[in-house]
Amino acid sequence: QVQLQESGPGLVKPSQTLSLTCSVSVGSIGSGGGSIDYYWSWIRQPAGKGLEWIGRIYTSGSTNYNPSLKSRVTISIDTSKNQFSLEVSSVTAADTAVYYCARLRTYHEDDGSLTYYFDYWGQGTPVTVSS
Amino acid sequence: SSELTQDPTVSVALGQTVRITCQGDSLRNYYATWYRQKPGQAPVLVIYGRNKRPSGIPDRLSGSKLGNTASLTITGAQAEDEADYYCNSRDSSGNRQLFGGGTKLTVL
Repeated sequence: QVQLQESGPGLVKPSQTLSLTCSVSVGSIGSGGGSIDYYWSWIRQPAGKGLEWIGRIYTSGSTNYNPSLKSRVTISIDTSKNQFSLEVSSVTAADTAVYYCARLRTYHEDDGSLTYYFDYWGQGTPVTVSS
Repeated sequence: SSELTQDPTVSVALGQTVRITCQGDSLRNYYATWYRQKPGQAPVLVIYGRNKRPSGIPDRLSGSKLGNTASLTITGAQAEDEADYYCNSRDSSGNRQLFGGGTKLTVL
């Protein structure tokens, strides 16, 4: 059973940088699963609103980000600590949300297509941007 | 388009069947994944790929796809099915994940 746990400040001042870490239990965050690829992702959810994918990092360190956030987001990985991290710069009140870390994995369909899905999630950590 | 569209609210009578839909161009080529979220909790995977259920998810939940529309069907809805449901898929590059806006399911 994979467990993920977010940690970091719950209050960030406007224009500053939001920094969160996700600690992963079980196995090595740097290992793959044969034909299965694992990506380590961040997702956020403003109060009363839907889920927004922020980005992901592969075990190699390669990253992909939501185009709407790309200029302000950095995701990094520390395989020695089994952790990955999120930084969002120049935050505003619009960045106030519950932030989730999650594992994204691949699944090869019978028809040859490749599906991705989030199989494990952290419990989420609320972050408020306010002075 | 890189968007997924869901109806904001859907209701169903206890024991009846309900379908929650998700529309988007990416669904013409890729399957949707579905998550259930109850208040104050993290989302939980309920359907992935071509109608696969993780262990612990009852078989009254099923997934399907036709054209650009994916559906989550709950057959014989129970009170515990009341929750927000989100669809999720990938873009054509596989480098971006998309979420629908969510559907709030009420069991009457």
